[in-house]
Amino acid sequence: DSGVTQTPKHLITATGQRVTLRCSPRSGDLSVYWYQQSLDQGLQFLIQYYNGEERAKGNILERFSAQQFPDLHSELNLSSLELGDSALYFCASSVSGHISDTQYFGPGTRLTVL
Amino acid sequence: AQSVTQPDIHITVSEGASLELRCNYSYGATPYLFWYVQSPGQGLQLLLKYFSGDTLVQGIKGFEAEFKRSQSSFNLRKPSVHWSDAAEYFCAVAPYGGATNKLIFGTGTLLAVQP
Repeated sequence: DSGVTQTPKHLITATGQRVTLRCSPRSGDLSVYWYQQSLDQGLQFLIQYYNGEERAKGNILERFSAQQFPDLHSELNLSSLELGDSALYFCASSVSGHISDTQYFGPGTRLTVL
Repeated sequence: AQSVTQPDIHITVSEGASLELRCNYSYGATPYLFWYVQSPGQGLQLLLKYFSGDTLVQGIKGFEAEFKRSQSSFNLRKPSVHWSDAAEYFCAVAPYGGATNKLIFGTGTLLAVQP
């Protein structure tokens, strides 16, 4: 158990809908990262937050957005969903947010778009 | 193009045999290098990482990796594989010495262990 929690574990929705994925980092970690793992694209970095501020941005679509709240939990919002958005979405956390820190991954949320 | 390559999609080894998983990168400056393991239905776990210094890095679960600048490689090794090592292994790179704060992952190598 990494100490990172993600909810829900599974999500099934329809095209065009909007969903919110939630992540709680390990106690004491200030930074949260979001990743997408799909058969087509592999494992891709989406976005990073540190203490409420966006720190780095990867291949995140404009339809997707994220935020980190004062209690340090983070949410990833996916809107206008397409079939190709079906994937496993991971959250990871680290202490300081520098890439040299160990990132601890949550178990993921599996999103299925029908 | 800049990339991280794991040439072996799938590898099968016998329990007790040695293991080497290959990883090559194509970034100009020496990047930060990582190996992660993903067990079925679980998130990723960091095995080891390299930033600078001694090119042979020891990690958890008996794994080690060697950085070879001349070959742009960071291969993962284990002298004796256990059945519990069956999983998918990902090499990852933070380009430009970590300056971008982003991890680029390889496509993964799926390891099967035969009894």
